Amino acid sequence: AQTVTQSQPEMSVQEAETVTLSCTYDTSESDYYLFWYKQPPSRQMILVIRQEAYKQQNATENRFSVNFQKAAKSFSLKISDSQLGDAAMYFCAYRSARGSNYKLTFGKGTLLTVNP
Amino acid sequence: DAGVIQSPRHEVTEMGQEVTLRCKPISGHNSLFWYRQTMMRGLELLIYFNNNVPIDDSGMPEDRFSAKMPNASFSTLKIQPSEPRDSAVYFCASRTGGKTQYFGPGTRLLVL
Repeated sequence: AQTVTQSQPEMSVQEAETVTLSCTYDTSESDYYLFWYKQPPSRQMILVIRQEAYKQQNATENRFSVNFQKAAKSFSLKISDSQLGDAAMYFCAYRSARGSNYKLTFGKGTLLTVNP
Repeated sequence: DAGVIQSPRHEVTEMGQEVTLRCKPISGHNSLFWYRQTMMRGLELLIYFNNNVPIDDSGMPEDRFSAKMPNASFSTLKIQPSEPRDSAVYFCASRTGGKTQYFGPGTRLLVL
């Protein structure tokens, strides 16, 4: 079974600075998808960024980028120019690319605090 | 375009009462998921529907939980009878063919 590990229960960053959230996963599959979701205090789960395992290029969405290291099974999220609105719980998630496999496996989350 | 809609947003009930949570997926999405989020267990998949048919309900905790999807635009998750340990945030998510599940705002359930 796949597992997703977020080793940092909490992180903090100064406004306008850069922070990196860690995620590692365990799988025997070669084709899969990885996601970062953000959950602000409102509890809404918001997709931040997605990475396909077959793509070597790291995904980027504005101030959010990932460092995908397939061999190391590592998928970290970098937030540049941190803003107060980035404060939230961040979840890393894994999903197999096999057509019949729909299940998202989530990590336990990292609580990010942004200090003004 | 409207996202996934869930109701109610908050529910407080007493132990033993029936609770019904509702979800309207994004129009055109053919897969629907119910999740439960607690501090102890994190996010857990309860049940997955594809084209209105339950495909995997192995995550449903026990017989007190049931879910239905009578049509492509509506699903319910029912707890009867409810217990304090059912207190959690319940999310509905939907997807179409693609890779990404889109989540609703969640229902925060408190069972006293």
